[in-house]
Amino acid sequence: KNQVEQSPQSLIILEGKNCTLQCNYTVSPFSNLRWYKQDTGRGPVSLTIMTFSENTKSNGRYTATLDADTKQSSLHITASQLSDSASYICVVIDRGSTLGRLYFGRGTQLTVWP
Amino acid sequence: EADIYQTPRYLVIGTGKKITLECSQTMGHDKMYWYQQDPGMELHLIHYSYGVNSTEKGDLSSESTVSRIRTEHFPLTLESARPSHTSQYLCASSDPLISGLKTDTQYFGPGTRLTVL
Repeated sequence: KNQVEQSPQSLIILEGKNCTLQCNYTVSPFSNLRWYKQDTGRGPVSLTIMTFSENTKSNGRYTATLDADTKQSSLHITASQLSDSASYICVVIDRGSTLGRLYFGRGTQLTVWP
Repeated sequence: EADIYQTPRYLVIGTGKKITLECSQTMGHDKMYWYQQDPGMELHLIHYSYGVNSTEKGDLSSESTVSRIRTEHFPLTLESARPSHTSQYLCASSDPLISGLKTDTQYFGPGTRLTVL
């Protein structure tokens, strides 16, 4: 069964600290993996897209890693800011269907305290 | 910032009422989607469309219906709302495939928070 599991479910950190969010998936065949940021009451916004051959990709203070062999990804946030408080959703797309089927994780709820 | 809009943002309605959630995008995307999301849970695809006059049901069984008469417009309708329909509904659209690789990014609207009493 194709699944996407994220950990931790929630995380509280102090402003300025770093954190790492985890994503494990069983989706096959794999096409690409994305991390989305969803602010409360808003729609998700794409942060990074990683294909099979990419190991690391950065977007400002966000760095995503992908290990396609172990089917694991992480999102590292550096020097956190209050505006980073949001839900971070891992999404995996399979290449076995025309639509490019998306599998969503439940997200990690990150809270940054001053 | 994605040019995809949803109205209303919040809706509280009584059981049995007919409602239509509006979604429009100005990016010219052919593919559009409707998702349902409960608090702390993953998004579930309920409807999608490849283009005008094309609509398909998603993975999550839904009593809603959709239509796609124009590229930019993808409304979702509930003929008779029930408390079990209380949820957040997210509309999205995506840009075309790039070189056959399914890297098309989905752009989400702000969502409609529906409460059925």
